[in-house]
Amino acid sequence: AQTVTQSQPEMSVQEAETVTLSCTYDTSESDYYLFWYKQPPSRQMILVIRQEAYKQQNATENRFSVNFQKAAKSFSLKISDSQLGDAAMYFCAYRGNAGNMLTFGGGTRLMVKP
Amino acid sequence: SQTIHQWPATLVQPVGSPLSLECTVEGTSNPNLYWYRQAAGRGLQLLFYSVGIGQISSEVPQNLSASRPQDRQFILSSKKLLLSDSGFYLCAWSVRLRGLSEQYFGPGTRLTVT
Repeated sequence: AQTVTQSQPEMSVQEAETVTLSCTYDTSESDYYLFWYKQPPSRQMILVIRQEAYKQQNATENRFSVNFQKAAKSFSLKISDSQLGDAAMYFCAYRGNAGNMLTFGGGTRLMVKP
Repeated sequence: SQTIHQWPATLVQPVGSPLSLECTVEGTSNPNLYWYRQAAGRGLQLLFYSVGIGQISSEVPQNLSASRPQDRQFILSSKKLLLSDSGFYLCAWSVRLRGLSEQYFGPGTRLTVT
């Protein structure tokens, strides 16, 4: 079974600085998908960024980028120029190629200091 | 555009009472539908998923059940609630395609069992 681990329960960053959230996963599959979701205080889950495992190029969405290391089974999220609105819980998620079910990590709470 | 609705938004129920949470999706056909539970300060746990009307798969044995009476309607039920059923319940949908298909989440229902 796949597992997703987020080893940082909480992180803090100064506004306008850069922060990296860690995620590792365990799988025997070679083809899969990885996601980062954001859950603000409203608790609505919002997709931040996604990565296909067969792509070597790291995904980027504006201030959000990932560092995907397939051999190490690592998928970290970098947030540049942090804003107060980035404060939220961030969840890393894995989806195998054969199905549609997501496996989530335990989450990292990001605090942004003004 | 597609939208997903959940109701009620909040619910307080006594132990032993029945439960019915509803989720509906608009703007798409034949979606995959999911129910997740999120305990306080924890990640998401997949409870049920459905690939079509009347087709329900359970991921975790519990006193909850799910039904899909219509293509875009997904219901989470219980005959007798337990204290441990308290949590935040999220419904999600995805397109029924192989390949990259992220899940889109509803606003959630906060359930408190007293």
